[in-house]
Amino acid sequence: KNEVEQSPQNLTAQEGEFITINCSYSVGISALHWLQQHPGGGIVSLFMLSSGKKKHGRLIATINIQEKHSSLHITASHPRDSAVYICAVGSGGGADGLTFGKGTHLIIQP
Amino acid sequence: NAGVTQTPKFQVLKTGQSMTLQCAQDMNHNSMYWYRQDPGMGLRLIYYSASEGTTDKGEVPNGYNVSRLNKREFSLRLESAAPSQTSVYFCASTWGRNTEAFFGQGTRLTVV
Repeated sequence: KNEVEQSPQNLTAQEGEFITINCSYSVGISALHWLQQHPGGGIVSLFMLSSGKKKHGRLIATINIQEKHSSLHITASHPRDSAVYICAVGSGGGADGLTFGKGTHLIIQP
Repeated sequence: NAGVTQTPKFQVLKTGQSMTLQCAQDMNHNSMYWYRQDPGMGLRLIYYSASEGTTDKGEVPNGYNVSRLNKREFSLRLESAAPSQTSVYFCASTWGRNTEAFFGQGTRLTVV
């Protein structure tokens, strides 16, 4: 079973700061997902990646397959970025579904 | 564009009662999933359906049953609810393995 670890668990920053959230996993994967969950809300997919780097607006996700590590970066952070960010991995084997990290609770203060 | 729709959004049950959580997707996805989210833990897979007509157990299937009614709908049933099943339940769908996942808004279930 893959173990997915996220750091930090909690992060409070000022508006405009550059944010980095890290994710590491223990077993080789087929794909890694970054998800966003607002308080009391549903879960939205931000990125799915299996190599390299992806960018969408102020969000950037990178993955290093050899090191089993991914990062999510937020540039010019804004209070509306406050949410829980969740890393999840899909296995390369026979099992279906995703294995999730516990999430990083991000608060951006004005 | 509804995406993944779950009902109900909130439910309170007494121990021993039964209920069915409904999930429907309008994206013609092949695979559908039920997860539960508990404080301090990552989401965990209860059951999944890789295609219409098939279902398989996930990490925490005990106390639950599922039905893939058709390609659109995947329901989760609690036959005899227990306090340990108090959780937030999410339905998700994908085209298949290693494709983007779409989630419903969640069902907050409390068993007293």
